[in-house]
Amino acid sequence: EAQVTQNPRYLITVTGKKLTVTCSQNMNHEYMSWYRQDPGLGLRQIYYSMNVEVTDKGDVPEGYKVSRKEKRNFPLILESPSPNQTSLYFCASSSRGYTEAFFGQGTRLTVV
Amino acid sequence: GEDVEQSLFLSVREGDSSVINCTYTDSSSTYLYWYKQEPGAGLQLLTYIFSNMDMKQDQRLTVLLNKKDKHLSLRIADTQTGDSAIYFCAESRAPDTGRRALTFGSGTRLQVQP
Repeated sequence: EAQVTQNPRYLITVTGKKLTVTCSQNMNHEYMSWYRQDPGLGLRQIYYSMNVEVTDKGDVPEGYKVSRKEKRNFPLILESPSPNQTSLYFCASSSRGYTEAFFGQGTRLTVV
Repeated sequence: GEDVEQSLFLSVREGDSSVINCTYTDSSSTYLYWYKQEPGAGLQLLTYIFSNMDMKQDQRLTVLLNKKDKHLSLRIADTQTGDSAIYFCAESRAPDTGRRALTFGSGTRLQVQP
């Protein structure tokens, strides 16, 4: 079954404690991206990757890092989380960036 | 810059048709999508349309595109309670016209009353 898997689904953490949200896809897609969803703002792209070792900033990259060492994995790293990063995060993958995107189930992050 | 706008809320009765509207500003938009998000779930692609098309029908779903007015609509015929969800309009451009990304609207919450 084609899937994008994110972990964890829910996370509560404290300000400044580094965390990683993992994302894995089994469709051999080249393009992966991270979005955050906030009320009234829709989804905004944080970072994207067009292939292994190729990443670039999206619309709201401040405070986030990513890496793409393998084609299937695209972790999102918050080196020093702050309360304004409390949000619902989605990972997505697609064969090309402008075609149908498959989304993970989401990770609800709360930073206190 | 690009912008995609939707109304925030729509309420219909079961069995009626629902029409969700979306406007976008990027004239180079090539692909336009409708995604559905049910509570606690990720986004599910419902349908999409290329910018050189005016209409696309897929079972109960009809997508209309007015490229001149940059207006996209999604019509759901015979709306059911299971259609209650948030619907997102999104646009993207072909890779040679800029950064590859989907630009989403803020979502329309559809409430279907029995």
